[in-house]
Amino acid sequence: KAGVTQTPRYLIKTRGQQVTLSCSPISGHRSVSWYQQTPGQGLQFLFEYFSETQRNKGNFPGRFSGRQFSNSRSEMNVSTLELGDSALYLCASSLDPGRNTEAFFGQGTRLTVV
Amino acid sequence: KNEVEQSPQNLTAQEGEFITINCSYSVGISALHWLQQHPGGGIVSLFMLSSGKKKHGRLIATINIQEKHSSLHITASHPRDSAVYICAVRHNNDMRFGAGTRLTVKP
Repeated sequence: KAGVTQTPRYLIKTRGQQVTLSCSPISGHRSVSWYQQTPGQGLQFLFEYFSETQRNKGNFPGRFSGRQFSNSRSEMNVSTLELGDSALYLCASSLDPGRNTEAFFGQGTRLTVV
Repeated sequence: KNEVEQSPQNLTAQEGEFITINCSYSVGISALHWLQQHPGGGIVSLFMLSSGKKKHGRLIATINIQEKHSSLHITASHPRDSAVYICAVRHNNDMRFGAGTRLTVKP
């Protein structure tokens, strides 16, 4: 069974640009969650999607958005990039975290903003 | 004060030693996760607990809901166990994370 796939693995963008990251969950999983990891703040929750609906959103500005498609693949978008957005972005998929099912993480996308 | 506190922050052990990492939390939770992160970034979910104790190979995780405390134990530690171990709790519909414990196991 294929794991969680995140693309691209590495990305370099310039301040002010926008970026879209993709996450393909494990087949059959309906939930995708996104996280940001920085050396200063550690891991922080961005959003959680279940069956195409955003179930919750972390404390991030509106520049961070996401969506989930009918095949459960998810994308997150960051507009007007800032240097502080440089981070490892991780997604995790699960059957339904609301029912305490196990989460499986992707390898992450390392975004560098210059 | 962070809602999820881990201790110690850093831990160095000799191969074969018994290791304990602790996690305390201050919010109501529906589940607690122990995660392992190797250099390069990939995260592996080790355990998900809502009560009691779980064991997988040399790893044991326990949780005490009343005391809001969980421990991760590694028996007969090995250099390949060297990684950052992260405690995460599911609170409402989001996850809160500890700062992680960096474990180094020396041969």
